[in-house]
Amino acid sequence: DAGVIQSPRHEVTEMGQEVTLRCKPISGHDYLFWYRQTMMRGLELLIYFNNNVPIDDSGMPEDRFSAKMPNASFSTLKIQPSEPRDSAVYFCASRRTVFYEQYFGPGTRLTVT
Amino acid sequence: GQQLNQSPQSMFIQEGEDVSMNCTSSSIFNTWLWYKQDPGEGPVLLIALYKAGELTSNGRLTAQFGITRKDSFLNISASIPSDVGIYFCAGQLGAQKLVFGQGTRLTINP
Repeated sequence: DAGVIQSPRHEVTEMGQEVTLRCKPISGHDYLFWYRQTMMRGLELLIYFNNNVPIDDSGMPEDRFSAKMPNASFSTLKIQPSEPRDSAVYFCASRRTVFYEQYFGPGTRLTVT
Repeated sequence: GQQLNQSPQSMFIQEGEDVSMNCTSSSIFNTWLWYKQDPGEGPVLLIALYKAGELTSNGRLTAQFGITRKDSFLNISASIPSDVGIYFCAGQLGAQKLVFGQGTRLTINP
């Protein structure tokens, strides 16, 4: 079975540019989570969706960050405008309702110069 | 807020040695998960624990859900080079979010 798919794997952009990260959850999973990982702060939950509906976005750093899930097989995390402090690895994870086990994608390493 | 204290932060061992790491919390958790992360990859689920006192094995890995529900440990027996990586514990408390430990970085000398 295919795992969580993320694209791109690496993104290098200049400050002020818009960045869009993409995620395809595991088929049949109805929860989707976006995380950010940095050396200083570890793994931080940004937002999660249940059945395509955003449930908790309290971890989103600021209004420059937005996330959507237009259907059960696709989600995006957008940063506009990007700043150097947004440089991090962004992970998407998914799970089924009945289990708490989250499965992570390979991540997108974002570098903002 | 809920926090997990994971220790040790790093370990340097010889190949073949056993490894032990643990996580503690001031909060009670209903579920404990253990993940391993290799460089440049996402965390991979190793073991899930759902009951207090539960002891679960996955090959050379053994994890336990503490009786108090505030702690968990992970043991790796007879370590091999591919065990190198960062190990994370994660706890779930009723809500849908996971709380992650800071990670234990395992380095193995061949």
